[in-house]
Amino acid sequence: NAGVTQTPKFRILKIGQSMTLQCTQDMNHNYMYWYRQDPGMGLKLIYYSVGAGITDKGEVPNGYNVSRSTTEDFPLRLELAAPSQTSVYFCASTRTGTGELFFGEGSRLTVL
Amino acid sequence: GESVGLHLPTLSVQEGDNSIINCAYSNSASDYFIWYKQESGKGPQFIIDIRSNMDKRQGQRVTVLLNKTVKHLSLQIAATQPGDSAVYFCAENYYNNAGNMLTFGGGTRLMVKP
Repeated sequence: NAGVTQTPKFRILKIGQSMTLQCTQDMNHNYMYWYRQDPGMGLKLIYYSVGAGITDKGEVPNGYNVSRSTTEDFPLRLELAAPSQTSVYFCASTRTGTGELFFGEGSRLTVL
Repeated sequence: GESVGLHLPTLSVQEGDNSIINCAYSNSASDYFIWYKQESGKGPQFIIDIRSNMDKRQGQRVTVLLNKTVKHLSLQIAATQPGDSAVYFCAENYYNNAGNMLTFGGGTRLMVKP
């Protein structure tokens, strides 16, 4: 198993540009999550999904959108990038919603 | 060792000493707690977990203690090694209308001096 795979690992965006962070997992996990981590800070939940076709907002959803058309994939979309979205983004998954979260390696995004 | 805002609290220990990292959680309804380790440039990795019906759980070189009375969690690392240098996060799990919610604390940076 590859686990949780995120792409790209690094990206620089200009203000107002759009992009999608990709996340895929091959563990057949139902629950998937997107977190952001600002420098020196903890993890904040952006969006999560409890299964294909179901998504819900987390703590800091503004400026982001997600979709979950398959069990494996959970892309995160930034429509109009802002400097405040400069952060490291982590995707994670778990089978049942409790227990061990499996994290990807992170995607470092800089908005200039 | 709790999050205090913009800067991660740091615990500096000598190699071979024991480390204790503390965490205060917020929700008395939380039923499950996890400690994660995050090395520089990597995603968090699971270390150990504990359910709310327990007050202590031991792993290899690590022990988690849970005090529900004061909503406090601690991670003890025995014989700390340079490879233990990382940021450590506690997380609490509780149920709400949306299902299970896992919320992370602010993290503590552990620095091990050789």
